[in-house]
Amino acid sequence: SQTIHQWPATLVQPVGSPLSLECTVEGTSNPNLYWYRQAAGRGLQLLFYSVGIGQISSEVPQNLSASRPQDRQFILSSKKLLLSDSGFYLCASEGTGRDQDGYTFGSGTRLTVV
Amino acid sequence: AQTVTQSQPEMSVQEAETVTLSCTYDTSESDYYLFWYKQPPSRQMILVIRQEAYKQQNATENRFSVNFQKAAKSFSLKISDSQLGDAAMYFCAYRSFRGGSEKLVFGKGTKLTVNP
Repeated sequence: SQTIHQWPATLVQPVGSPLSLECTVEGTSNPNLYWYRQAAGRGLQLLFYSVGIGQISSEVPQNLSASRPQDRQFILSSKKLLLSDSGFYLCASEGTGRDQDGYTFGSGTRLTVV
Repeated sequence: AQTVTQSQPEMSVQEAETVTLSCTYDTSESDYYLFWYKQPPSRQMILVIRQEAYKQQNATENRFSVNFQKAAKSFSLKISDSQLGDAAMYFCAYRSFRGGSEKLVFGKGTKLTVNP
C-alpha cells in the first residue's frame, strides 16, 4: 500500500515570502499526484496534478506553482505569498490501482499567511 | 463537467443510532466510481467506501453501507451503530472511469456530530 509523506505539518509565513511544500510517495511507482487546497468550512479544490516527471497541469490560475522533479516527489511553491493563500494543503497520490482505489492522501499542511 | 452536491452541511446522531448522509452528482458518463471519504479533526482524509457504477449491488464495509441509485444519480452513506469515533467531515467524491489523470471531484462535505 502507498504511504505519503507531507511536510511541514504547519507553517506560518509573512505576506510576500516564498513557499515550498513537499510531498513524497512510497509504495508505488509512476503515480498520478495531486495538490488540493481546503479552505475553512469548504470542500477540496484541485490546484495541480501530474501524470509524470516534469508534467504539471494547473486547474485554476493562482499565485502558486508545482513541480515534479522525481517520480515520487511533488512540490508546491510560491515566490510571493498572499493572504489568500492561507489554507490547508493536501497532497494525494493515485497509484497502480488507480481505477479502483481513489486516492491516498498525505496528512496535510496548514498554511497561515500573516 | 461533473459536479457533486452534498445538501446537508451538518448532521448529528446519537451514539448507537443510524444516520444517512446524502450525496447527488451530475454526469453524462455511464461508467464511473463514487467514494465516501472521512476527515476527522486530525484532517487526515480516509477512504470509507467506494462504489463502481457498473455494479448494481450496493457496497458495504462493516458498519458503513451505501444506497446507490444510478438513475437518480444519488449515492447516500448509511452509518449504523454510530460511534463517537465516527464524528468527522464526510466528503462524497466522483471519479471518471476513463483512467489516466481523471481527478476526483468532491462535494463540499457534511459535518457529522455523534452525541453520547
